[in-house]
Amino acid sequence: DAKTTQPTSMDCAEGRAANLPCNHSTISGNEYVYWYRQIHSQGPQYIIHGLKNNETNEMASLIITEDRKSSTLILPHATLRDTAVYYCIVRGYNNAGNMLTFGGGTRLMVKP
Amino acid sequence: DAGITQSPRHKVTETGTPVTLRCHQTENHRYMYWYRQDPGHGLRLIHYSYGVKDTDKGEVSDGYSVSRSKTEDFLLTLESATSSQTSVYFCAISEGVNEQFFGPGTRLTVL
Repeated sequence: DAKTTQPTSMDCAEGRAANLPCNHSTISGNEYVYWYRQIHSQGPQYIIHGLKNNETNEMASLIITEDRKSSTLILPHATLRDTAVYYCIVRGYNNAGNMLTFGGGTRLMVKP
Repeated sequence: DAGITQSPRHKVTETGTPVTLRCHQTENHRYMYWYRQDPGHGLRLIHYSYGVKDTDKGEVSDGYSVSRSKTEDFLLTLESATSSQTSVYFCAISEGVNEQFFGPGTRLTVL
């Protein structure tokens, strides 16, 4: 599975959009981009995933560049409860065991 | 929330003692996983299971063994605990290539 690069930390004002970037320049054609987050010491929580097209669900939007070498997770109206570590993960569709490889993630601090 | 429980939630033990952590699911998902998380780090996969009695090693499997005799239970055993195994352990489940759902975690301290 391809490696990802994320900023170590970011701040966002409450009510504003939080845009979290992820670089995955070595991604291959059958690899998906997944986003999880971990609030404080809880278990990670799935947010969204995509292959080529942009995706949106009730939590967030995922924008993948046309060359698929980078993506952005967008939380449209960040709240204090969105303060967490956000992990961008690239996973092959045929990954035996459906394993996820977590990197260091981005620590998002939402401020009042 | 997915039906995943872990037991115990907290445990303190001494070096050299055996320890077993339990993950129980009520979702009937095929895949189950054990991860560990150390301060300031992301999660690292220890072992996973793709069916009853079917398991395989992950990134950091040394010193750990697992068993899955029923769909709903996945046990992680530290045969002889060491201080380097002090960590937070998370269990996860998934169905095929879909997203993984994580349990609440077990905080293990080895003195």
